[in-house]
Amino acid sequence: KQEVTQIPAALSVPEGENLVLNCSFTDSAIYNLQWFRQDPGKGLTSLLLIQSSQREQTSGRLNASLDKSSGRSTLYIAASQPGDSATYLCAPEGDGANNLFFGTGTRLTVIP
Amino acid sequence: DAGITQSPRHKVTETGTPVTLRCHQTENHRYMYWYRQDPGHGLRLIHYSYGVKDTDKGEVSDGYSVSRSKTEDFLLTLESATSSQTSVYFCAIRKGLAGVTDTQYFGPGTRLTVL
Repeated sequence: KQEVTQIPAALSVPEGENLVLNCSFTDSAIYNLQWFRQDPGKGLTSLLLIQSSQREQTSGRLNASLDKSSGRSTLYIAASQPGDSATYLCAPEGDGANNLFFGTGTRLTVIP
Repeated sequence: DAGITQSPRHKVTETGTPVTLRCHQTENHRYMYWYRQDPGHGLRLIHYSYGVKDTDKGEVSDGYSVSRSKTEDFLLTLESATSSQTSVYFCAIRKGLAGVTDTQYFGPGTRLTVL
């Protein structure tokens, strides 16, 4: 069974700082990996999807990397803003399993 | 916005009563999913559907059943609710993007409390 760990569990940074969120997973046989953000009391918003054959994806100030063989992904957020405050979830998808496995997330607070 | 709605958004019920949650999509996507989210566990898959009347179990399917009689609706039923089924339930659809592999999009969630 795929186990997903996200470190740190919580992070507080001043506005403007660059930051990295980490995700590790135990089974490297994945189809893809998605990063989501979740605001309190809300649903999940898809941020980036990296296919298993890719090394990274970028969207605006966000960059996600994937090292499938070592079971690691990182989400880099540049020039953080208070609006980035949310919980960030990493979810690798099992190869052919049609199932996302979620970590418990990193709760990010960006202080103005 | 992937056109996903969930109803009800909040529900309080008593142990032993049946409960049905509804997920509705407007874009005719083939795949639909039900997840539950609990503190300390992240989201876990309950059941999913890959077409009308085609469903399969996920990681935590015990105590839940699903039905999909129309492409746009995916129902999750708790036949006899228990306190351990108190959770936030999310529906999702799989949506392919041009040139990119499929992405899952999530509804707003249903908060269920079983007393």
